[in-house]
Amino acid sequence: EVQLLESGGGLKQPGGSLRLSCAASGFTFSSHAMSWVRQAPGKGLEWVSTISGRGVMTYYADSVKGRFTISRDNSKNTLYLQMNSLRTDDTALYYCAKAASTVTFFDLWGQGTLMTVSS
Amino acid sequence: DIQMTQSPSTLSASVGDRVIITCRASQSISSWLAWYQQKPGKAPKLLISRVSTLESGVPSRFSGSGSGTEFTLTISGLQPDDFATYHCQHYDSYSWTFGQGTKVEVK
Repeated sequence: EVQLLESGGGLKQPGGSLRLSCAASGFTFSSHAMSWVRQAPGKGLEWVSTISGRGVMTYYADSVKGRFTISRDNSKNTLYLQMNSLRTDDTALYYCAKAASTVTFFDLWGQGTLMTVSS
Repeated sequence: DIQMTQSPSTLSASVGDRVIITCRASQSISSWLAWYQQKPGKAPKLLISRVSTLESGVPSRFSGSGSGTEFTLTISGLQPDDFATYHCQHYDSYSWTFGQGTKVEVK
C-alpha cells in the first residue's frame, strides 16, 4: 500500500528541539522529492521544507530557515525534520508529503503528527 | 513573494448547487496551480494539478480553470461528500504557497 506515516510529535517548551519522522512505503522513495507541510490549529496549509530525491538539495520557508533541517535516509525509506529553537507559532499538525514528478505539487500526504510548543 | 488569496473564506451551499471558489495571485503566475480537498481530521487530497488536470479517481463534477492572476475551482452539482475545505497551491522556484482555504459548508 502506498502510504506515508509520520511520528515524533509531542509537547515541547519554547527553545526546545524535536525530530519528526515520516516512514514511506509502496513507492520508490528515492525517486521523489519529499516535503513537510504544516497546519496550525484552525489555519491553512503552510509549506515548510522540501528535499530532493537523493537528498542533495534542500529548500526552506523563510519562517523556519536556520532553525529546521530536513533530511532523508533512502535506505530506510524515511524522511526527517529536525526542529530547533522552537517557538509557540511552530505549533501545528505537521504533514509529510510526496512531491509529484514535476515537483510542483504534492500527490500523497500522510495523516500528520501534532507538535505543540508551549511553556 | 507571491501571495495566494482564496475567496470566499466560507461558502454555504446545498446539494446540487454549482460552487465556484476563486484563488487570486498577487502577481501573474505560471500554470503550476493545484487544488486540494481536506475533510475534518484528514490529510489534504490532491484534486487538480496544472490548473485544470483532474487527478485519477476525482469525479468529473470538479473542474479547474484560469490564468494570469485568477483561477477557479468549480464543483458542478455539489454532492454530500463534497462538504470540505479546499486549498489552492502555487509553485514557483522551489517555493510552494497555499491559499488560506475555503470551507464549503451546508446551507
